[in-house]
Amino acid sequence: NAGVTQTPKFQVLKTGQSMTLQCAQDMNHNSMYWYRQDPGMGLRLIYYSASEGTTDKGEVPNGYNVSRLNKREFSLRLESAAPSQTSVYFCASRRGGSKNIQYFGAGTRLSVL
Amino acid sequence: GENVEQHPSTLSVQEGDSAVIKCTYSDSASNYFPWYKQELGKRPQLIIDIRSNVGEKKDQRIAVTLNKTAKHFSLHITETQPEDSAVYFCAASRRGTDKLIFGTGTRLQVFP
Repeated sequence: NAGVTQTPKFQVLKTGQSMTLQCAQDMNHNSMYWYRQDPGMGLRLIYYSASEGTTDKGEVPNGYNVSRLNKREFSLRLESAAPSQTSVYFCASRRGGSKNIQYFGAGTRLSVL
Repeated sequence: GENVEQHPSTLSVQEGDSAVIKCTYSDSASNYFPWYKQELGKRPQLIIDIRSNVGEKKDQRIAVTLNKTAKHFSLHITETQPEDSAVYFCAASRRGTDKLIFGTGTRLQVFP
């Protein structure tokens, strides 16, 4: 039982390049999330998916797209990377129930030059 | 919109002292308040949570208190140890939504 797995762990891009961050969970959770973490800014929600087939914008969606490929996988795509997207990206998933307990992946450290 | 403010942004204490981190939320419909701990270079992990129908919850050296009227909640760590050094995030969630709104984090340093 690996929990939430993110790939890659590190990535360096040039401005204008595209890439997809991958996330998979093996806990049979319905909801999945993408956050970015910047110094002094906490964890800001980019997009989330409450269930397979649905996605919704979070606080900072501009410049990103997501795909909920199936119940296990939720990917984040940067179509044209910008230096402002340099950050640490975390994927998370939530088990059901009245408590919103989220389980995080190990993160992807992205630098855009 | 929904907002969670967290203070202080940094906190330094001597080993054995207590540490208190405070959060204020804006959405009066929020009903669930978790705290996450993030060690350096690691992922955030849940350490304690509280629901709106409870005023206080304890788990060994950590406790959380909630004041619904003032829309405040706090994390208390007693007898701090160097391994408590980390960034702590508070969060709030509203019934019926899938989102957690996080505070901006508190970097706690415990000096031996």
